Amino acid sequence: EAEVAQSPRYKITEKSQAVAFWCDPISGHATLYWYRQILGQGPELLVQFQDESVVDDSQLPKDRFSAERLKGVDSTLKIQPAELGDSAMYLCASSYTLSGANVLTFGAGSRLTVL
Amino acid sequence: GEDVEQSLFLSVREGDSSVINCTYTDSSSTYLYWYKQEPGAGLQLLTYIFSNMDMKQDQRLTVLLNKKDKHLSLRIADTQTGDSAIYFCAWGTNAGKSTFGDGTTLTVKP
Repeated sequence: EAEVAQSPRYKITEKSQAVAFWCDPISGHATLYWYRQILGQGPELLVQFQDESVVDDSQLPKDRFSAERLKGVDSTLKIQPAELGDSAMYLCASSYTLSGANVLTFGAGSRLTVL
Repeated sequence: GEDVEQSLFLSVREGDSSVINCTYTDSSSTYLYWYKQEPGAGLQLLTYIFSNMDMKQDQRLTVLLNKKDKHLSLRIADTQTGDSAIYFCAWGTNAGKSTFGDGTTLTVKP
């Protein structure tokens, strides 16, 4: 079964350092999402791509976060500099349409701990 | 999330039915979804319902939608220990954006 691949699974860094997360969506899925999930909460959308274009980045803290999907396939999310409050699970998802519904397939996530 | 409200915890005995409730605020949602998250994993779609439907049944899962009250529920029949997880409801727009609740942790006791 096709999966959304994410790396690294775990990242521990010190505040003010740079971190990067990588995501490879399911082949053929044009829409890719980055969500942040703080412990005990639901996922919060950071950025949505349609192919290589950003559709929605209204909740992305652009002073420190950036995301790209240069060739419309895999994607990278970067944080620079990391802050203590960035500790969370970063989930990547890609979507397909099923009977009109937009179904997200999530990766296993990248858990970030900022010390 | 503040747009979607769920109770935080639910505990049931194995074999009983579980009912997880959700209320949402946005009237523009086209589909409503239930996702399941097991420890250390991403979310997995369980089922979904179109916003003009009242009910959908899928094996042990029954989804009820009261659009007037903006209330969504998920009933799991014959709950098993393997159903222990966090359950998220979400609403989706035509633009492909999904907004999630904060999840309900279901614990199934043997």
